[in-house]
Amino acid sequence: QQKVQQSPESLSVPEGGMASLNCTSSDRNFQYFWWYRQHSGEGPKALMSIFSDGDKKEGRFTAHLNKASLHVSLHIRDSQPSDSALYFCAVSEPNYNQGKLIFGQGTKLSIKP
Amino acid sequence: GPKVLQIPSHQIIDMGQMVTLNCDPVSNHLYFYWYKQILGQQMEFLVNFYNGKVMEKSKLFKDQFSVERPDGSYFTLKIQPTALEDSAVYFCASSPDWGAYSQNTLYFGAGTRLSVL
Repeated sequence: QQKVQQSPESLSVPEGGMASLNCTSSDRNFQYFWWYRQHSGEGPKALMSIFSDGDKKEGRFTAHLNKASLHVSLHIRDSQPSDSALYFCAVSEPNYNQGKLIFGQGTKLSIKP
Repeated sequence: GPKVLQIPSHQIIDMGQMVTLNCDPVSNHLYFYWYKQILGQQMEFLVNFYNGKVMEKSKLFKDQFSVERPDGSYFTLKIQPTALEDSAVYFCASSPDWGAYSQNTLYFGAGTRLSVL
């Protein structure tokens, strides 16, 4: 069983709209969440991390974490064509100091002009 | 921002041969990683490396795999011999000194696409 499940697999949003991506961990050992974005031909780049319950906002991006359900979402407001990319959720264990991240299978986001 | 460079971007090799993938991590980073991504699937952790040693490796890190970073040069992943199932994109990553609460970010290179024929 996958330890990190993302939904939807793909998403199309009009330019200027709101994109919402979801991620759930199936292992209570994994409670620290990251969102990474990967443009075609590039490596993944960290967008933001969230470790506490509630919302975390960085510019147009807002992450929401519910630790009880091990669910995190990423909301992108005022979506731009440059936001078209593959979005990965990644998790790690608290107090695990070796830096291993477990990735989900990704959500492909397309922003239509 | 910080850059991780991977060389080459694409490598084609015959099954059974040896291949070395090179990674130039961010200069002041201390932790180094290799991840494997088969087309259409998620990235999977292979190995992490700190202070000249492998700290943890996954079951994907077969006996044919080895990593090293001699004298602060490239961080390398060597596969000897290669097998067809080794075809994938291999991503190198690095991170600064790891915080007590696992809160540091990994910085990834653009990947090396390995094609084993």
